[in-house]
Amino acid sequence: AQSVTQPDIHITVSEGASLELRCNYSYGATPYLFWYVQSPGQGLQLLLKYFSGDTLVQGIKGFEAEFKRSQSSFNLRKPSVHWSDAAEYFCAVGGRGYQKVTFGTGTKLQVIP
Amino acid sequence: DGGITQSPKYLFRKEGQNVTLSCEQNLNHDAMYWYRQDPGQGLRLIYYSQIVNDFQKGDIAEGYSVSREKKESFPLTVTSAQKNPTAFYLCASSRGDLPTEAFFGQGTRLTVV
Repeated sequence: AQSVTQPDIHITVSEGASLELRCNYSYGATPYLFWYVQSPGQGLQLLLKYFSGDTLVQGIKGFEAEFKRSQSSFNLRKPSVHWSDAAEYFCAVGGRGYQKVTFGTGTKLQVIP
Repeated sequence: DGGITQSPKYLFRKEGQNVTLSCEQNLNHDAMYWYRQDPGQGLRLIYYSQIVNDFQKGDIAEGYSVSREKKESFPLTVTSAQKNPTAFYLCASSRGDLPTEAFFGQGTRLTVV
């Protein structure tokens, strides 16, 4: 069965510092991979997605993620964090159709001045 | 502006009552989904529909019901059979079977009083 692991429940970084959120997945074939962001009390917004091709994916708000098949990972990175990036981040993996997408349990990001 | 609208934002239910959460989209998407979100558990799929007049159970369908009479609308009823309904409910839609972006509503927070 497919699964997603986000090992960090909560991360605190200083504004301007770099960020890396970890995501490991288990999937039987080449996966579709997503990162979503959720502000408190809001819905989810897609940051970026990987389907095939270049393993380094650029997304919105200055985020990027790298697909590493050998490590079954899809870590999210940002070179310089802004206070407005404080939110919860979800990694997801799946196949065709969102009914087949599994979401991770999320990583809550706190940004301190 | 295209998007998904969930209402109400907050909902209170008495023990033994059924309540219905509304979800409307004007994105012309074929597929719609209902998720339940609990702290530390990520998103869990309740029901999904890929076409009008058809819907399928997700991972946690017990105690819930849905209908899909119109392409734009996918209401969720939380029945009295759902023993622990207090949660944040998210509706989403996507173009269909392709692994494209899912668009999420702002969510409904349901509380049993």
